[in-house]
Amino acid sequence: AQSVSQHNHHVILSEAASLELGCNYSYGGTVNLFWYVQYPGQHLQLLLKYFSGDPLVKGIKGFEAEFIKSKFSFNLRKPSVQWSDTAEYFCAVNAGGQNFVFGPGTRLSVLP
Amino acid sequence: DGGITQSPKYLFRKEGQNVTLSCEQNLNHDAMYWYRQDPGQGLRLIYYSQIVNDFQKGDIAEGYSVSREKKESFPLTVTSAQKNPTAFYLCASSIGPPEGGYTFGSGTRLTVV
Repeated sequence: AQSVSQHNHHVILSEAASLELGCNYSYGGTVNLFWYVQYPGQHLQLLLKYFSGDPLVKGIKGFEAEFIKSKFSFNLRKPSVQWSDTAEYFCAVNAGGQNFVFGPGTRLSVLP
Repeated sequence: DGGITQSPKYLFRKEGQNVTLSCEQNLNHDAMYWYRQDPGQGLRLIYYSQIVNDFQKGDIAEGYSVSREKKESFPLTVTSAQKNPTAFYLCASSIGPPEGGYTFGSGTRLTVV
């Protein structure tokens, strides 16, 4: 069965710090990879997705993620975080079919 | 604006009662999904429906039921058989296969008292 792990439960950063949130998945075949964000009191929104091609994917709000197939990883990065990036971030994997497998989420708190 | 509407936002239920959560979409999406979100566990799939009058169990369907009589609507009933129903419930839709990503509703927080 597929599984997704996220390295950190809660990350606390100051504004302007760089961010990297880890995501690893367990599935040997072709996968589609996603990062979703849930801002406080709001619904889940798609940040970025990877299907194929360039393993460095750029998303909204300055986020990017790099797919490293050999490491089964899809880490999310942002060079300089803002207070408004405070949210919960979910990595998800789809290996075909109707189901996504979501990671447990990482809560990001950015201190002003 | 197109989107998914879940209602109510907060719901309280007494033990032993069934309760139905509403999910409506005006995106003309074929597929709809119900997820349950628990702290530290991510999202887990309860049921999904790819077309009207058809639905499939997800990973944690026990104690839940759904219907899909209209394309726009996919209500979820939490029955008294669900042993731990207190959770945050998210409805989502996709235009076809979910590889393109989901559109999520804003969720319903169910608390059993």
